[in-house]
Amino acid sequence: AQSVAQPEDQVNVAEGNPLTVKCTYSVSGNPYLFWYVQYPNRGLQFLLKYITGDNLVKGSYGFEAEFNKSQTSFHLKKPSALVSDSALYFCAVSPQYNFNKFYFGSGTKLNVKP
Amino acid sequence: DAEITQSPRHKITETGRQVTLACHQTWNHNNMFWYRQDLGHGLRLIHYSYGVQDTNKGEVSDGYSVSRSNTEDLPLTLESAASSQTSVYFCASSGEGEADTQYFGPGTRLTVL
Repeated sequence: AQSVAQPEDQVNVAEGNPLTVKCTYSVSGNPYLFWYVQYPNRGLQFLLKYITGDNLVKGSYGFEAEFNKSQTSFHLKKPSALVSDSALYFCAVSPQYNFNKFYFGSGTKLNVKP
Repeated sequence: DAEITQSPRHKITETGRQVTLACHQTWNHNNMFWYRQDLGHGLRLIHYSYGVQDTNKGEVSDGYSVSRSNTEDLPLTLESAASSQTSVYFCASSGEGEADTQYFGPGTRLTVL
């Protein structure tokens, strides 16, 4: 069965410090990997995705994510957090053999304190 | 700009009533999806469609139905609403290519009393 794990329900970080939001997955084959952000009372907004190639993917708002095939992880990172980054973050995986279907993690709430 | 809209944004209904949530996209995407979001569960797939007249069940389809009569719309119907269906519902659409991104609507908050 396909699964996506976001092991931390909540991540707290001070403004200006680096942040990491973790994601691991269990999917057959080589998956496509996505990160979304959700602000209160809004839909999910696409941040970035990994298809193939360079393991470090850059996305919107200064976010990047590192793909690690051996650890089946796709952690979201940002060198310097902003208070406005506070939101709910979702990792999603799309299997290569059934790429129209997405499997989502349970979400991680990021709190950035001034 | 292309977008995906949902209506209503908020709905309160009573147990046993039929409810229909609308989803309309102007991306001209063939793929459309309905998810529900509940605390601790992330997003769970209810139904999806890969084109006109095509519908498929997701992991939590019991009590829900969809129909696809055109490219732009995928309404979600709760045949007889239950309190367990109180949730936030999101519609999404995507192209058909590998690794195409799913784009989400703003959501409908449904409360079943």
